[in-house]
Amino acid sequence: AQSVTQPDIHITVSEGASLELRCNYSYGATPYLFWYVQSPGQGLQLLLKYFSGDTLVQGIKGFEAEFKRSQSSFNLRKPSVHWSDAAEYFCAALNQAGTALIFGKGTTLSVSS
Amino acid sequence: DAGVTQSPTHLIKTRGQQVTLRCSPKSGHDTVSWYQQALGQGPQFIFQYYEEEERQRGNFPDRFSGHQFPNYSSELNVNALLLGDSALYLCASSLSRYSNQPQHFGDGTRLSIL
Repeated sequence: AQSVTQPDIHITVSEGASLELRCNYSYGATPYLFWYVQSPGQGLQLLLKYFSGDTLVQGIKGFEAEFKRSQSSFNLRKPSVHWSDAAEYFCAALNQAGTALIFGKGTTLSVSS
Repeated sequence: DAGVTQSPTHLIKTRGQQVTLRCSPKSGHDTVSWYQQALGQGPQFIFQYYEEEERQRGNFPDRFSGHQFPNYSSELNVNALLLGDSALYLCASSLSRYSNQPQHFGDGTRLSIL
């Protein structure tokens, strides 16, 4: 069955430091991949998406992600974290039918000053 | 441009009751999906509606049902509520014509079962 794994439950990063959140997927064909962010009490906001083509995709708020087929990964990165980036981050893949998003369990990002 | 709107924001029910949650999709979107997000978990797909029909269903019992109206808005109904139904219920909309269009989420309805 198709699945998405986020190995890190909680990550703490100092403000101004770089960030990398890990995501692995299991899927035979090239998947449609997404990163969403969720602030407390809020819905999900789309950060970026990958469908095909260039394996490095740029998103909002200075985030980027790199698709690596050989590692079945789609890691999210940001060169310099701001305190306002503290939130829950979800990696997701579109199912084969193109209807449902399959989410990882999320990574909580804390930012220390 | 109005985004996805959900109502109510919060809801408290008791076991055995029934509940209806509502969703208005983003302007121009014709497809609505519902997800359940338990505390500390990622969202789980419940079902998707397109052209007023259930297009696909996730691994949820028949107590969960839905409806889509001609104006593309949607309702999620849950019967015989259980304590385990306590969760954030998220609605997402998309434009079915384009398979690569992402789903846009509302802020959710927080359902608490006592």
